[in-house]
Amino acid sequence: LAKTTQPISMDSYEGQEVNITCSHNNIATNDYITWYQQFPSQGPRFIIQGYKTKVTNEVASLFIPADRKSSTLSLPRVSLSDTAVYYCLVGLSRYNNNDMRFGAGTRLTVKP
Amino acid sequence: KAGVTQTPRYLIKTRGQQVTLSCSPISGHRSVSWYQQTPGQGLQFLFEYFSETQRNKGNFPGRFSGRQFSNSRSEMNVSTLELGDSALYLCASSPYGLAGGAYNEQFFGPGTRLTVL
Repeated sequence: LAKTTQPISMDSYEGQEVNITCSHNNIATNDYITWYQQFPSQGPRFIIQGYKTKVTNEVASLFIPADRKSSTLSLPRVSLSDTAVYYCLVGLSRYNNNDMRFGAGTRLTVKP
Repeated sequence: KAGVTQTPRYLIKTRGQQVTLSCSPISGHRSVSWYQQTPGQGLQFLFEYFSETQRNKGNFPGRFSGRQFSNSRSEMNVSTLELGDSALYLCASSPYGLAGGAYNEQFFGPGTRLTVL
């Protein structure tokens, strides 16, 4: 089963780039990697998803090395409103989603 | 479009009771997934329903069950409640389901916070 490990917390300052890395040594061949953002009293919100190499959308980039045993969520120029918990999810695939695993979450605090 | 709605938002039950939670997906979405979130175990996948059929199931005991109706609304039932069932229960909807492949964005509701006394 894909066990996902991510840092418990990170601090940053407004305007900086933040990189959060998730480790998933046992990722299966068909598994996608997905990142979510969660604010207090809300459900998680989809940020980005990828399978390999690099994916970029309007809010973030996702870097996945060739061995796919880790992934890095990159948030460019964070603001105070980016203070939230970020979750890495491994295990979504076209074939078997019974064993998907969320990381424990990384609490990002952005300071002025 | 209206988002995912969950009812009730808060619920208090006692051990041994059963509970039913409801989730209304975004209009047009055929997949509803349920998750449990606790401080100790984090986010855990319960099950997914797609067009009224359970397609995926996480590692939870049989006390946790669900169903989906023809209008895609879904209910989750927990029987014989235990103290450890206290959690935030989240549902998420998606148009193509968890097996949608390259793009299967899920939209989460605000959750139902269940407290078992």
